[in-house]
Amino acid sequence: DTGVSQNPRHKITKRGQNVTFRCDPISEHNRLYWYRQTLGQGPEFLTYFQNEAQLEKSRLLSDRFSAERPKGSFSTLEIQRTEQGDSAMYLCASSHRERSYEQYFGPGTRLTVT
Amino acid sequence: DAKTTQPPSMDCAEGRAANLPCNHSTISGNEYVYWYRQIHSQGPQYIIHGLKNNETNEMASLIITEDRKSSTLILPHATLRDTAVYYCIVRFPGTYKYIFGTGTRLKVLA
Repeated sequence: DTGVSQNPRHKITKRGQNVTFRCDPISEHNRLYWYRQTLGQGPEFLTYFQNEAQLEKSRLLSDRFSAERPKGSFSTLEIQRTEQGDSAMYLCASSHRERSYEQYFGPGTRLTVT
Repeated sequence: DAKTTQPPSMDCAEGRAANLPCNHSTISGNEYVYWYRQIHSQGPQYIIHGLKNNETNEMASLIITEDRKSSTLILPHATLRDTAVYYCIVRFPGTYKYIFGTGTRLKVLA
């Protein structure tokens, strides 16, 4: 068990560019979550996968945001046409079906849009 | 609308019990209350959860009022390593959407 990993850890991009983040959950964890966190705020739910199915999506996830989990293992979060307001920490978490109350969080990807 | 309310900050002397309150007056009948903490620059970490009975594990105790409108997380003997932001969390009923709120910044003082 190596924990949840996220790549890259930091990303600086210019406004209007597309970015993609990757999350590798703990193996055997079928549930995967994406959150966004800005300074001084708690994590904000973005989306939820159970295996490869995206079962929940926040209204915050505008048309510019898309997430996938193609084989029920790793997941990607893509932001198209980035805006300065997208600057935040993007957190991924996973949990096991039998202990769904315990989400294991990755270290996050810090996005800065200039 | 599912939400939680917590004091923004608290101090606690090392070795003393830290009692962190949370108001979740809009919680629905079958939704749990979850507590996580976030140490600076790390992802949140699960602490404990409960429905209506008090719960205890190796990290903390959770006291939930009988009407379920509030709860208190208790760290029985706080250490400097317990300095963190503590989040009381509920879910939107019938969804997987967890609502974190702004949390309580606990500072344990030597």
